[in-house]
Amino acid sequence: DTAVSQTPKYLVTQMGNDKSIKCEQNLGHDTMYWYKQDSKKFLKIMFSYNNKELIINETVPNRFSPKSPDKAHLNLHINSLELGDSAVYFCASSQITQGSHGNTIYFGEGSWLTVV
Amino acid sequence: DAKTTQPNSMESNEEEPVHLPCNHSTISGTDYIHWYRQLPSQGPEYVIHGLTSNVNNRMASLAIAEDRKSSTLILHRATLRDAAVYYCILRRHRTGTASKLTFGTGTRLQVTL
Repeated sequence: DTAVSQTPKYLVTQMGNDKSIKCEQNLGHDTMYWYKQDSKKFLKIMFSYNNKELIINETVPNRFSPKSPDKAHLNLHINSLELGDSAVYFCASSQITQGSHGNTIYFGEGSWLTVV
Repeated sequence: DAKTTQPNSMESNEEEPVHLPCNHSTISGTDYIHWYRQLPSQGPEYVIHGLTSNVNNRMASLAIAEDRKSSTLILHRATLRDAAVYYCILRRHRTGTASKLTFGTGTRLQVTL
């Protein structure tokens, strides 16, 4: 069973379109994340949700809107796509528990977005 | 999060041990040292983490300097499947709160026959 699964794996779309990437985790974690890896391979956090509440919101354009219908899902909606949005988007999850000291983060396999 | 410094790339022969260094001279007392790796076309994968003492798990060992200003990830016998980018990351942990992973450029490990 895939622990953190993302769909679609590949997405090619035109500038100006609106698209969504879905993410689900079956690990029972209470926290989920979206990371972006650009063409230079830098991985940066975009958002984090804990029990459906936004807790980390890095400097990301308003065109990006995460939505968490429940703690097992965190979807990423992108409006008015631009060429610079082309990247690999990784969903991830972890468990924040009292006394945990590692908060290992588990990543999905990524969604390759290409904007043309 | 405090910064880490790693070599851009390293090479190893298969079946030989690999020592991947990481410097983190500005580490604070509550920073855990985490290592993740990213295989080609995959998401990052947890390898190991530690605070002060050396750590071992089925994937690797983590040796932490006494002053905690550096650490070394040890792969005891490198295989071709270990070819990846290895990231050394400091995470300031506060119980009950999320802490993000701040990735640097990592070390690209090449493993050859």
